[in-house]
Amino acid sequence: EAGVTQSPRYAVLQEGQAVSFWCDPISGHDTLYWYQQPRDQGPQLLVYFRDEAVIDNSQLPSDRFSAVRPKGTNSTLKIQSAKQGDTATYLCASSFPDNNQDTQYFGPGTRLLVL
Amino acid sequence: SQWGEENLQALSIQEGEDVTMNCSYKTYTTVVHWYRQDSGRGPALIILIRSNEREKRSGRLRATLDTSSQSSSLSITAAQCEDTAVYFCATDANNNNAPRFGAGTKLTVKP
Repeated sequence: EAGVTQSPRYAVLQEGQAVSFWCDPISGHDTLYWYQQPRDQGPQLLVYFRDEAVIDNSQLPSDRFSAVRPKGTNSTLKIQSAKQGDTATYLCASSFPDNNQDTQYFGPGTRLLVL
Repeated sequence: SQWGEENLQALSIQEGEDVTMNCSYKTYTTVVHWYRQDSGRGPALIILIRSNEREKRSGRLRATLDTSSQSSSLSITAAQCEDTAVYFCATDANNNNAPRFGAGTKLTVKP
């Protein structure tokens, strides 16, 4: 079974530039999560979807970040006008309820450096 | 914040030693997940313990959960070099099935 895939694996931007990250979850997984992981910190939830619906985006900086999952499968996270503080690894995860256990499977992440 | 500690902790031990990592959380949860993250990779779930369990074992791993003190621990018996990784605990804040992660413990096992 293929795991969660993300692209690109690395991105380097100047402040003010835009960038998009793509995530392809495990086939059949209805829930998809985006996390931001700054260096030497734990992953911090940005947004998550069940199918195409946003369940929680309360931690997503809405002025510059947006996330979509239009068909309930792949997802895109976009940063408009990146800032140095956005430097982090962006992780995508997916899950499917199985015996009341939502086990998350994470992709390898996209490492973003904003200069 | 969900967590009592905010900064990555670091532990260094010798191969063959036992080690215990702790985490505390502030809000109610029905489950504590323990993940390990290897360098350059995403976290991977290694053990999950529910609020009605006090202890859970999986191979050399043992997790405990004390809901009264809102704390959990992960122990590794006879650590091996390949156990070197960052270990996180995560809780399901507000029971909405989106795990929230603590700061983590960077474990180094030396030969």
